[in-house]
This record gives sequence, structure tokens and C-alpha cells, in this order.
Amino acid sequence: RKEVEQDPGPFNVPEGATVAFNCTYSNSASQSFFWYRQDCRKEPKLLMSVYSSGNEDGRFTAQLNRASQYISLLIRDSKLSDSATYLCVVNGGSGYALNFGKGTSLLVTP
Amino acid sequence: GAGVSQSPSNKVTEKGKDVELRCDPISGHTALYWYRQSLGQGLEFLIYFQGNSAPDKSGLPSDRFSAERTGGSVSTLTIQRTQQEDSAVYLCASSERPGPNTGELFFGEGSRLTVL
Repeated sequence: RKEVEQDPGPFNVPEGATVAFNCTYSNSASQSFFWYRQDCRKEPKLLMSVYSSGNEDGRFTAQLNRASQYISLLIRDSKLSDSATYLCVVNGGSGYALNFGKGTSLLVTP
Repeated sequence: GAGVSQSPSNKVTEKGKDVELRCDPISGHTALYWYRQSLGQGLEFLIYFQGNSAPDKSGLPSDRFSAERTGGSVSTLTIQRTQQEDSAVYLCASSERPGPNTGELFFGEGSRLTVL
């Protein structure tokens, strides 16, 4: 089983739509969780950290369910500029590696 | 301020040659990571440095791969006797806070390696 699994998509949504991405992780000892964003042929950049109580940053909401080992990202009022690949990232528990999912591709259309 | 700098940005080499990839992390960042990303694939962890030591080398795919870091700053990833399957983008990232509960990773733009 892969460390971090995501639906690759692509998700094609119109501007203004709400879209949700999910991610599951295999290591129950993991302590740190993040969503990164990667534009085409660019390096990944941190979108937001994910906290146990859930957290919001503008139009973005992240949630963590430790019991189910599941992380989600909700994007409200999608913009054209949100088109990118969204990477779920989880630390490996006792190891030092941050494990990246393969990413979910989002395309927001006019 | 300066971000993470990687060189070369592009490298084309022949199978069997050795290559060196360089990473200059953000000044003061003690944690440094190397990842690689093959076409259409996710990021694959290679190695983690804390200062000059590498407590986690678990991702290095074979003994052809090695890395070092000097002065708690610049890191070099060396691939010996390159193979076509080594073709990928090699990404370096640094973080202010050391692992395992590291903070935000700041990535360089990557070194795109093509092995012919």
C-alpha cells in the first residue's frame, strides 16, 4: 500500500464551483499533514498545513480525520488561477521523509 | 531574499556517465531534502540532511546515488553510471525546522536530468 494515496482526477469544474479532494495515508504514527500546490512544470509550494481541528484559509478548508487516516481539501468559489495539481503530504511518523501523494489535477474553466 | 537555488537547471548526459547536481538552500535552513519527480509521477523522497549529516537515506534507489552536504549549506547529489531510468526532475527543498516534524518545505526549481 502506498504511503499517501489521492484520486489523480482530473477534476474539471466551472468558475465559482466548490470542489473537494481527498487523501488517505497509511502510517498511523504520522503527525504532520500538508497540502501543497504544483503548477505545470513548476516546483511545489505550500498551500496550507492541516491541523487536527480543521483549518480554513480564505476559500480553502482542510480537514483531518485521524481515525480514518483521511485528509480533505475543500475549495470554494473556484477561480481560474486555482488550476493546478494539489499534493497531499504526510510525514512518515518516525522517519524524516515527507511523503507526497501523486497529486490531484484541477482544471477550472470559464 | 534568495530562495533555494539548484544547478544545472537542465542536464543531458549519455548513459554510463556520472552527473552532479547542486543545491543551495535558503540561508540558515538546517533541514535539506532531495526528491525526484519522474514524468507524470509523484515526488519520490531520496535523502534528508540535518546540518551536514544524513539521518535518513532510505530513499536512495541504488548505490549509484550518493549525496553530501558541507558547511551546513550546499548539497551535491551525485549519480554514477547514469541509466535511462534516472531521467527525472531532481528537486531540492530546505526547511527552517528540522525533521521529523519539519515545517514548510521551500523547493528549488529543480534540475531536469535526461539520460540518453
